[in-house]
Amino acid sequence: QKEVEQNSGPLSVPEGAIASLNCTYSDRVSQSFFWYRQYSGKSPELIMSIYSNGDKEDGRFTAQLNKASQYVSLLIRDSQPSDSATYLCAVNKGSNYKLTFGKGTLLTVNP
Amino acid sequence: DAMVIQNPRYQVTQFGKPVTLSCSQTLNHNVMYWYQQKSSQAPKLLFHYYDKDFNNEADTPDNFQSRRPNTSFCFLDIRSPGLGDAAMYLCATSRDGLREQYFGPGTRLTVT
Repeated sequence: QKEVEQNSGPLSVPEGAIASLNCTYSDRVSQSFFWYRQYSGKSPELIMSIYSNGDKEDGRFTAQLNKASQYVSLLIRDSQPSDSATYLCAVNKGSNYKLTFGKGTLLTVNP
Repeated sequence: DAMVIQNPRYQVTQFGKPVTLSCSQTLNHNVMYWYQQKSSQAPKLLFHYYDKDFNNEADTPDNFQSRRPNTSFCFLDIRSPGLGDAAMYLCATSRDGLREQYFGPGTRLTVT
């Protein structure tokens, strides 16, 4: 079982729709969870961090964490073509100062 | 604005010719990381520094070395680049290694 798993996609949604991105992780001691957006040829950009169970909202983005089920998700409301990118889920166990990345989900928002 | 800066943004080197990539930060973060990312893959951690303490990943080739002369700067040295080392090299920083990591813009390395 991979440490951090994401559906590679591509996930295609129409403009204005809600995009839902999911991530599961295998290590129960994981403490910190992050979503990065990466445009083609660019570096990852942090868009959300979440540390405790529940929802965290920032503008059009909502991160959801469920430690019992070991999943974290990202919802993008009112999706825009500019949201088209690869979204990387990253998990920090807290014991070694390192992030474990999923392979990323490619999101395409169609005008 | 506080930031992570990488130079150069694009580097072309010849097979076997040593190359050095640099990273600087104005965030005053304790931890600095170097990642290698190839097309359609997740970033792969090469090593990191917590302050002056160096931590090498077990599968990082000996061809890759790093230096952190002070809090603000970190360098990646590739002693004898091979064609397989062509990639985007990303520098990232974290205040304490437990929170967010912030990435620089990356250096795209081409090996001819």
